[in-house]
Parts: sequence; structure tokens; C-alpha cells
Amino acid sequence: AQKVTQAQTEISVVEKEDVTLDCVYETRDTTYYLFWYKQPPSGELVFLIRRNSFDEQNEISGRYSWNFQKSTSSFNFTITASQVVDSAVYFCALKGYNNDMRFGAGTRLTVKP
Amino acid sequence: ETGVTQTPRHLVMGMTNKKSLKCEQHLGHNAMYWYKQSAKKPLELMFVYSLEERVENNSVPSRFSPECPNSSHLFLHLHTLQPEDSALYLCASSLSGTGVDTQYFGPGTRLTVL
Repeated sequence: AQKVTQAQTEISVVEKEDVTLDCVYETRDTTYYLFWYKQPPSGELVFLIRRNSFDEQNEISGRYSWNFQKSTSSFNFTITASQVVDSAVYFCALKGYNNDMRFGAGTRLTVKP
Repeated sequence: ETGVTQTPRHLVMGMTNKKSLKCEQHLGHNAMYWYKQSAKKPLELMFVYSLEERVENNSVPSRFSPECPNSSHLFLHLHTLQPEDSALYLCASSLSGTGVDTQYFGPGTRLTVL
């Protein structure tokens, strides 16, 4: 069975702080994909990143970075120098061999000015 | 229009009403999805259509009826809903068969059942 756990329900930081959102997954598939989505108050899930199980290289995109570690089944997301516009709910998701996409429960991030 | 659009954005209906949610994708994708997002619950996959054929139905009650007339349009027909069906209904699309299959989402329809 596939499962995604985002243990942090809510995080609150002050602008310019760095923040890391945790994601731990379970799967028996050898080939799988991991995703992060952002859901602002408007409701739309915005795709941020996709990683496949064979590529453990960390990735940086502007203030965003992702740390994928198969040894600990984790795919953590760090926002550097957070901004108020980063306030949203962030979802980690796992897609295995079939079409079944499993989402974590989400982490609500609030960035205060 | 670009991306994935959904109409209406908000819907209030009584339990005896019949209504439909519409989703349209402008990305050239061949798979479409309906998800339900309730408060304090993970996103729940309801239906998957790939090449206009339904490939997955995660035991959704029959009061929800999907329709996919072509690869760009997806409907969710609603009838005799219950108050617990109040939720945000999200549509997504992807390019299935490439192995990559990233899903892109619409803005959702916020449904309230009275």
C-alpha cells in the first residue's frame, strides 16, 4: 500500500525565516514519482516539483529546495527567506506504478510579516 | 483560456436538486481526474478517465456520476446529495502513458449541500 505522511499540520514563521516541510512516504514500487503542490487560499493546487525514484539529486529553484533521501523515504521541502506570499497549504504526493496518486494531509504554512 | 478550468466556482444546492460540475483542460492531455477535498481530510480520488474511458472508480456513491465526452471535457453529475458531500471538488488532467504523468489542477468548485 502507498502512503504519504506530512506530520506537520500547521507551521507559522516570521517573514525571512527559513522553513522546512517534512514528507515521509511508503511504497513497495521500485519506480515511483514524488510531487509537491501548493494550494493558496484560491483553492487551485499548483504543481511545484516532480522527482522520480531513480534521481536522488537535490533540486533548487529560487528560494525553494527539495531534499530527496530514499534511505529514509523522505522528500522534504525547504523555503529559504520565506515571504508572506508563501502562505498556503503544501501537499506532498506519491504516484506509483499505476494511476493512483496518494496525497499527504497537507501542511498549512503561515508566514507573518 | 489556459490550463484547467472549472465551472461553477461555487455551488449551493438542496438535497433534491440535480446539478453538474464542468471541467475543461486546454493542455492537450489525455487523462482527467475528479478529486474531493473535505475539511481536514486528504484529497480523495473519485474518478479517473484515460483516453475517455473510465479506468478507476474508488467506490464513490452512485449519486455522483461522471461523464467524459472527449479528452478535453469532464463532467460530474450530482443528484440527491447529502450534506456530508459538501466539499471542494477538484479536477485535474495529465498526459498519461508517458511515465511522467504530472497532474495539473483546476481551481475547484466549492459545493455546499443544504
